[in-house]
Amino acid sequence: SAVISQKPSRDICQRGTSLTIQCQVDSQVTMMFWYRQQPGQSLTLIATANQGSEATYESGFVIDKFPISRPNLTFSTLTVSNMSPEDSSIYLCSVGQEGNTEAFFGQGTRLTVV
Amino acid sequence: GENVEQHPSTLSVQEGDSAVIKCTYSDSASNYFPWYKQELGKRPQLIIDIRSNVGEKKDQRIAVTLNKTAKHFSLHITETQPEDSAVYFCAAQGYSSASKIIFGSGTRLSIRP
Repeated sequence: SAVISQKPSRDICQRGTSLTIQCQVDSQVTMMFWYRQQPGQSLTLIATANQGSEATYESGFVIDKFPISRPNLTFSTLTVSNMSPEDSSIYLCSVGQEGNTEAFFGQGTRLTVV
Repeated sequence: GENVEQHPSTLSVQEGDSAVIKCTYSDSASNYFPWYKQELGKRPQLIIDIRSNVGEKKDQRIAVTLNKTAKHFSLHITETQPEDSAVYFCAAQGYSSASKIIFGSGTRLSIRP
């Protein structure tokens, strides 16, 4: 299994500012994913963080709004840019291990934009 | 793209009874179907999974069935207990960690004492 440390666990931010969320894994993983989970809703995939190349974004999500970095096989960041109250949500990173299709999740970042 | 539908959205059962949650998926290339349990304020945790070469899998009180032809899969929880109360998500994925996981909309399961 993979142990994932996600930071910060929560934050309250002013609209128009940006927040960077970090995801650190205790072992090298093939892929890392970023999800958004709005209150009482399911997990919506934002993008796949690719090591050494640009992230792959899902429909409705763009790089200018959600820039992602993946400098190595154990670390990724998601930035929520120019925030508005609609960005208030829980953001989760998830990782997939080589040869093991189980996904492991970070504890999530609860973001409130005021 | 891949779509996963899940129902019911809420389910309330008497303690000791069984609970069944059903999902359908759209992408015939999907061949891995995990189920996640999410307790309030916590991260999703895998409880059971099934691959497309298997029709049924059981782990104590939890079982999952898969009908690949119909693109249906279901979660069965028997002898429900209060600690089974949570939100359950089905998901579909291609057969590698490189494939993204698409989640169903979730079922909020409540166990009545």
